[in-house]
Amino acid sequence: DQQVKQNSPSLSVQEGRISILNCDYTNSMFDYFLWYKKYPAEGPTFLISISSIKDKNEDGRFTVFLNKSAKHLSLHIVPSQPGDSAVYFCAARTRGSTLGRLYFGRGTQLTVWP
Amino acid sequence: NAGVTQTPKFQVLKTGQSMTLQCAQDMNHNSMYWYRQDPGMGLRLIYYSASEGTTDKGEVPNGYNVSRLNKREFSLRLESAAPSQTSVYFCASRDNYEQYFGPGTRLTVT
Repeated sequence: DQQVKQNSPSLSVQEGRISILNCDYTNSMFDYFLWYKKYPAEGPTFLISISSIKDKNEDGRFTVFLNKSAKHLSLHIVPSQPGDSAVYFCAARTRGSTLGRLYFGRGTQLTVWP
Repeated sequence: NAGVTQTPKFQVLKTGQSMTLQCAQDMNHNSMYWYRQDPGMGLRLIYYSASEGTTDKGEVPNGYNVSRLNKREFSLRLESAAPSQTSVYFCASRDNYEQYFGPGTRLTVT
């Protein structure tokens, strides 16, 4: 049973526009959320995170929004660039987890076209 | 500082053969993880290790064993490979907040 869900397997956006990637979760014990980016033939790399005590975190062109009541988070990329084309994974961690185990969604393939 | 390294990068096995995937990290992290990634399935946790000498099962441990040899190294062993184990395998280690991934091993079992 997937506790972290990314319901859009793919997203296509024109360069310069906003990309919005969505993620839903079911476990109310999750207290820390991360986005990872993955290029083909490489390992995932950390992009941005947010703690459950916040509702927004920004880092340059990337902003993550958290809506705890809806158990929903989203990643906004503005403006989108062709180099952003990759698979994006949403991940979550439970409160008090000393093991730091992450639960991943299935990923969204973002394609940014010129 | 190489981060997380994995060997080999590619491997082809016949059904029933065994092999060990190697992983090492130089960031002095306590926790290490093994994942597999299959098309449309995201990253699924196979095993993890909170510290040297301890290991625990993840979501999909069947058919695998692990060894946490020391703080740096965490290996994944397939005793009798099956076609269902064809996948890309990622090792990761963790600091206080995020996990750092290796480049992956692409394994094909025929």
